[in-house]
Amino acid sequence: KQEVTQIPAALSVPEGENLVLNCSFTDSAIYNLQWFRQDPGKGLTSLLLIQSSQREQTSGRLNASLDKSSGRSTLYIAASQPGDSATYLCAACYVYRTALIFGKGTTLSVSS
Amino acid sequence: EAQVTQNPRYLITVTGKKLTVTCSQNMNHEYMSWYRQDPGLGLRQIYYSMNVEVTDKGDVPEGYKVSRKEKRNFPLILESPSPNQTSLYFCASMSGSSYNEQFFGPGTRLTVL
Repeated sequence: KQEVTQIPAALSVPEGENLVLNCSFTDSAIYNLQWFRQDPGKGLTSLLLIQSSQREQTSGRLNASLDKSSGRSTLYIAASQPGDSATYLCAACYVYRTALIFGKGTTLSVSS
Repeated sequence: EAQVTQNPRYLITVTGKKLTVTCSQNMNHEYMSWYRQDPGLGLRQIYYSMNVEVTDKGDVPEGYKVSRKEKRNFPLILESPSPNQTSLYFCASMSGSSYNEQFFGPGTRLTVL
């Protein structure tokens, strides 16, 4: 069964700290992995997409890595800010499937 | 602005009263899909469409219908809603048949009494 797991479920950090969110997936036959941000009552905002042939992608203070062999992806957030507080979801797109398989998310709280 | 829109954003209804949630995208995407998000279960795919007149079941299709008569629109139909369909619903779209970035709408919060 294809599953995506995110650890930790919740994380609280002070402003300015660098942090890493973890995502693991079963079955290395993925096309890509996508990281999303979800604010309360809002939709999903796409942050980064990593194709299976790539090792990492960067956007501003965000850096996502992908290691297919170990079934892991990480989202690194540099110099966290209170505005980064949200739930972060990772989703794997597997070969021969159209559905994104989502993890249950990590809820991040950054205090000022 | 490139976007996926959904209407309504919030809906409270009663068991058995047919309803439709609309989804529209302005990016000329071939692929569209519907997900539901439930506490403890995460997001799960309901139905998807690879192109006009091509639809197929996702992981949790029971109790739902869809249609794809135009490329930009992909409505979700609940013929006889039940309380277990109370959920947060998201529409998504993606360009082409290859697996690119997926864009999500703002969500529709549905409550079935």
